[in-house]
Amino acid sequence: AQSVTQLDSQVPVFEEAPVELRCNYSSSVSVYLFWYVQYPNQGLQLLLKYLSGSTLVKGINGFEAEFNKSQTSFHLRKPSVHISDTAEYFCAVSDIRGGSEKLVFGKGTKLTVNP
Amino acid sequence: GAGVSQSPSNKVTEKGKDVELRCDPISGHTALYWYRQSLGQGLEFLIYFQGNSAPDKSGLPSDRFSAERTGGSVSTLTIQRTQQEDSAVYLCASSRGRGDYGYTFGSGTRLTVV
Repeated sequence: AQSVTQLDSQVPVFEEAPVELRCNYSSSVSVYLFWYVQYPNQGLQLLLKYLSGSTLVKGINGFEAEFNKSQTSFHLRKPSVHISDTAEYFCAVSDIRGGSEKLVFGKGTKLTVNP
Repeated sequence: GAGVSQSPSNKVTEKGKDVELRCDPISGHTALYWYRQSLGQGLEFLIYFQGNSAPDKSGLPSDRFSAERTGGSVSTLTIQRTQQEDSAVYLCASSRGRGDYGYTFGSGTRLTVV
């Protein structure tokens, strides 16, 4: 079964600093990878996804992620964060088996941007 | 509708009671998913519906949990004889179908069992 490990449960940073949220997945087959963001008291919103092609994926709000197959990683980065980026971020990997398709999520990383 | 609608947004119930949670997906979306979000545990897959195919129920934690999807649209998640460990946020998502991973999530139902 697929699994996702988000190495940091909480990441505090100062406004305008760069940030990297780490994600590793376990899979021996081709996968699709995703980052979702959840603002307080809201549902999840897709930030970006990797399906194929270029390993550097750009998403909304200035975020980007790089797929690294050899390291089975899909880390999320932003060069300069804003207070409004404070949220919880979830990495997810596709799990396609027996006609069923679903996403398997990590436990999330809480990003807190301080002034 | 424009988004995925879930109701109620909050539900407090007594231990041992049954509850029903509703999800109204985006019109035309053939795939529907239920996830459970517990504090510090991320999102736990519960069940997946795709069109008229048999649902993938592999994530349901016990036989107290069941779900149905009527007419390929609205879905209801039912928890019988609720326990305190069932307290969580239950999230519903929909997508256009196979190969579309752009899930749209609802805002969830926060279930508290007292």
